[in-house]
Amino acid sequence: DSGVTQTPKHLITATGQRVTLRCSPRSGDLSVYWYQQSLDQGLQFLIQYYNGEERAKGNILERFSAQQFPDLHSELNLSSLELGDSALYFCASSVVPGVQETQYFGPGTRLLVL
Amino acid sequence: AQTVTQSQPEMSVQEAETVTLSCTYDTSESDYYLFWYKQPPSRQMILVIRQEAYKQQNATENRFSVNFQKAAKSFSLKISDSQLGDAAMYFCAYRSVRTSGSRLTFGEGTQLTVNP
Repeated sequence: DSGVTQTPKHLITATGQRVTLRCSPRSGDLSVYWYQQSLDQGLQFLIQYYNGEERAKGNILERFSAQQFPDLHSELNLSSLELGDSALYFCASSVVPGVQETQYFGPGTRLLVL
Repeated sequence: AQTVTQSQPEMSVQEAETVTLSCTYDTSESDYYLFWYKQPPSRQMILVIRQEAYKQQNATENRFSVNFQKAAKSFSLKISDSQLGDAAMYFCAYRSVRTSGSRLTFGEGTQLTVNP
């Protein structure tokens, strides 16, 4: 158990819908990362937050957004869902982004868009 | 941009034997970090080992060790005395040391099968 929690574990929804994925980092970790794992794109970095502020953006679609709240939990919002958004979405956390940082992953949320 | 390549989509090993998984990367940076993550059937991403590029000594964690060749940009993972529980997808990952570049860049993965 990495100490990172993600809810829900599974999500089935329809095209055009909107969903919210939630992540709670390890105790003491200030930075949160979101990754997407799909069959055709592999593991891709989406976005990073540090202490409530957006720190870096990767291959995140405009239909997707995220935020980190004062209690440091983070949410990833996916809207106007398409079939191709079906994937495993991971959250990872680390103490601070920096030299000694190691990212620990949550168990993931498996999203299926029908 | 950095890229990570794992040229072996699948590997197999007999229980108790040794196997080496390959990883190469491309970067213009001189300092960075490299990781191996394991993803068993549960799909959980588990950190196996990490290597700091400024360290010449290869990292070791119990039965897992790496062969880090900086000039060749190669970072292979050796698993000794393979166990059935080692069966998983293994991902090589790169991370810049710049605080603005903390994202992990992953390779395509190598599926390891351990035969009893």
